[in-house]
Amino acid sequence: AQSVSQHNHHVILSEAASLELGCNYSYGGTVNLFWYVQYPGQHLQLLLKYFSGDPLVKGIKGFEAEFIKSKFSFNLRKPSVQWSDTAEYFCAVANAGGTSYGKLTFGQGTILTVHP
Amino acid sequence: DGGITQSPKYLFRKEGQNVTLSCEQNLNHDAMYWYRQDPGQGLRLIYYSQIVNDFQKGDIAEGYSVSREKKESFPLTVTSAQKNPTAFYLCASSRWGSEQYFGPGTRLTVT
Repeated sequence: AQSVSQHNHHVILSEAASLELGCNYSYGGTVNLFWYVQYPGQHLQLLLKYFSGDPLVKGIKGFEAEFIKSKFSFNLRKPSVQWSDTAEYFCAVANAGGTSYGKLTFGQGTILTVHP
Repeated sequence: DGGITQSPKYLFRKEGQNVTLSCEQNLNHDAMYWYRQDPGQGLRLIYYSQIVNDFQKGDIAEGYSVSREKKESFPLTVTSAQKNPTAFYLCASSRWGSEQYFGPGTRLTVT
């Protein structure tokens, strides 16, 4: 079964600091990859996704993520965080084939707190 | 205004009672999903449905039941057999294989 691991449970940064959140998954086949964000009191929403093509994908609000197939990783980055980026971030992976095609497996989540 | 609605936002029940959580979508998506979110555990899949009148168990289906009689609706029943039902429940929908869109969630408290 697929498993997804996010390296940090809680990250605390000051505004303008750079961010990198780690995500690793276990399944060795073809996968679709996602980062979702949950702002306080809001719906879970999609930040960015990777299905195929350029392994460096750009999402909303200046976020980007890099898919490294050899490392089973899909790390999220932002060069300069803002107070409004305070939220919980979830990495999610879906097998792109087989009987579990389309099913999402989520990581445990990383709470990001940005101090002004 | 397209999206997913879940009702109610907060729900309180006594132990031993079944309770049904509502999920409706007007995005014309074929697939719908129910997740449970607990602190530090991410989202765990309870049930999913790829098409009307068909659904499959997810990773933590015990103590839950669903139905999918209409494309737009995918209600979840938390039965008295669920040992730890207090949680935040999220419904989602998607075109099959594509990104999922989430509702606002229902926070269920069972005492």
